[in-house]
Amino acid sequence: GAGVSQSPRYKVAKRGQDVALRCDPISGHVSLFWYQQALGQGPEFLTYFQNEAQLDKSGLPSDRFFAERPEGSVSTLKIQRTQQEDSAVYLCASSLVQGNSPLHFGNGTRLTVT
Amino acid sequence: GENVEQHPSTLSVQEGDSAVIKCTYSDSASNYFPWYKQELGKGPQLIIDIRSNVGEKKDQRIAVTLNKTAKHFSLHITETQPEDSAVYFCAALSLGNQGGKLIFGQGTELSVKP
Repeated sequence: GAGVSQSPRYKVAKRGQDVALRCDPISGHVSLFWYQQALGQGPEFLTYFQNEAQLDKSGLPSDRFFAERPEGSVSTLKIQRTQQEDSAVYLCASSLVQGNSPLHFGNGTRLTVT
Repeated sequence: GENVEQHPSTLSVQEGDSAVIKCTYSDSASNYFPWYKQELGKGPQLIIDIRSNVGEKKDQRIAVTLNKTAKHFSLHITETQPEDSAVYFCAALSLGNQGGKLIFGQGTELSVKP
């Protein structure tokens, strides 16, 4: 079966531009997570959805970051007025249920802000 | 909140030797501890996980041990092969009012020399 799919794989944005990153989770997975991974670091939690409900957005760095999952499946992470410090790999992951069930990651979107 | 520390940051071994990576966590309520392998340009892939009701789990050449009292857990890879070369991340499930999220260590870059 298909895994978690993210698009685009690479995105170059000029500082100040808005970007939208897409995540298609594994079909039937209830939980969806977004993580940010800086070069040489571990993934850092951004936000979490259970179906269409955004239950935790405590990791979003600023109000320029916004995530949605309107129909409980595909999710979009939007970053407004991008800045150089936003450059990172953005990882999406899904799991069948909430809690201690395995998290399956996509290959990420590498965002470079110039 | 949960904090996960991982050591060493880099590890170089000869093919056939064993490799051990250690992690500590801070939240005694954490009950799920997965390990991920990340290859260049790819997302983290789950290789083994352990729940707090067991002290050890094995899967072929990979084993994980958990000491809840000391709040540390370790990954053991035996008979290492060049294809084991990658970055390995430990994680702990941080439980909150809105469900759980994985908190990751900083990663260990494992190099297996033929």
